[in-house]
Amino acid sequence: DQQVKQNSPSLSVQEGRISILNCDYTNSMFDYFLWYKKYPAEGPTFLISISSIKDKNEDGRFTVFLNKSAKHLSLHIVPSQPGDSAVYFCAASPANAGGTSYGKLTFGQGTILTVHP
Amino acid sequence: DTEVTQTPKHLVMGMTNKKSLKCEQHMGHRAMYWYKQKAKKPPELMFVYSYEKLSINESVPSRFSPECPNSSLLNLHLHALQPEDSALYLCASSQDRGQGVEAFFGQGTRLTVV
Repeated sequence: DQQVKQNSPSLSVQEGRISILNCDYTNSMFDYFLWYKKYPAEGPTFLISISSIKDKNEDGRFTVFLNKSAKHLSLHIVPSQPGDSAVYFCAASPANAGGTSYGKLTFGQGTILTVHP
Repeated sequence: DTEVTQTPKHLVMGMTNKKSLKCEQHMGHRAMYWYKQKAKKPPELMFVYSYEKLSINESVPSRFSPECPNSSLLNLHLHALQPEDSALYLCASSQDRGQGVEAFFGQGTRLTVV
């Protein structure tokens, strides 16, 4: 049972345009969500995160939106650059019994983003 | 310093060999993790250490043996592996508490079992 789903295996956008990557989750115990970027044969690089008490978090060109009722989040990259071409993973973390989030991450399958010059 | 360092970067081992993967971080993180990533798949959690104690074992076979000698180091001892254990092994670390926890990953060790 896949608890975190990224239904688009790939996405291709033109440089300067917006990239929108989507992620859905099924486990209502998840309360912290993260996006990672990964190049081949390297470890994932943390990009941006959002807590379930928020619906938006912005960091430079990256914005993450969370729709808790729909169990859906998205990552917006604007403007997209060729260097953004990579695999993007959505990940989710549950709250532990003490009410604080814990770093046990469940990853989606990833979306390959290609940004064309 | 937000770096997690893993050694070696590449490892080829036979099914009868014993080898170890090493991971080091100096961010003061008290939680450390081993993940396994097969080709075209997402990373999957194997083990979690919190304050140098094993807190989560995701039903990993005993041929994988983790060790946390101190708060900065994490090892993964390998023995009698199978070819299907070939994968990218990722170490990560994070704060142990707080409203949100970002895990920082190392570059990984590409393991090939022959």
